[in-house]
Amino acid sequence: SQQGEEDPQALSIQEGENATMNCSYKTSINNLQWYRQNSGRGLVHLILIRSNEREKHSGRLRVTLDTSKKSSSLLITASRAADTASYFCATSSSNTGKLIFGQGTTLQVKP
Amino acid sequence: EAQVTQNPRYLITVTGKKLTVTCSQNMNHEYMSWYRQDPGLGLRQIYYSMNVEVTDKGDVPEGYKVSRKEKRNFPLILESPSPNQTSLYFCASSFPDRREAFFGQGTRLTVV
Repeated sequence: SQQGEEDPQALSIQEGENATMNCSYKTSINNLQWYRQNSGRGLVHLILIRSNEREKHSGRLRVTLDTSKKSSSLLITASRAADTASYFCATSSSNTGKLIFGQGTTLQVKP
Repeated sequence: EAQVTQNPRYLITVTGKKLTVTCSQNMNHEYMSWYRQDPGLGLRQIYYSMNVEVTDKGDVPEGYKVSRKEKRNFPLILESPSPNQTSLYFCASSFPDRREAFFGQGTRLTVV
């Protein structure tokens, strides 16, 4: 089952611009994570935000979480061509380790 | 280096010929899982394992088997592959206390 819906599905920006991706989910969560996937490669963990947190930063990444709206956003500031990839949100709702992924946002950063 | 290793990376096989995709992790993670990724469908969980000898079905288990005889290994078995199992497969591992998951590099399987 797919819990998350991501918006937009695709995003194209110029290098140096900011990129914002949104994720909505349906059930209560323990945490929400963002992953990056370069074309056809494995997913790489970017950042985790717990359900009792509202905002988190890691380098050029900023994640927000609004549990009342069941939504999260990922902001990549000062984007680079190397940021071109697909970005997925994933929610964890139990202590089993299971993640439920959104459909992903494909980001293209033009040099 | 902490990693999840899948093999093979690419595989082309014929319908009905049994195959195994191996997955190994070196982080002593209890939780391991298999996902398949298909265009327009995202990542869907096939099977997962909470620990040695403990496995359970995910969202799309039909046509797959798994085993967890050792903590580090979690092979995915297709007893009789069919063309609808053509997909990109990922193995992942984590600690089950809400932390990040580590993914393998993926296995692109084509069944003809």
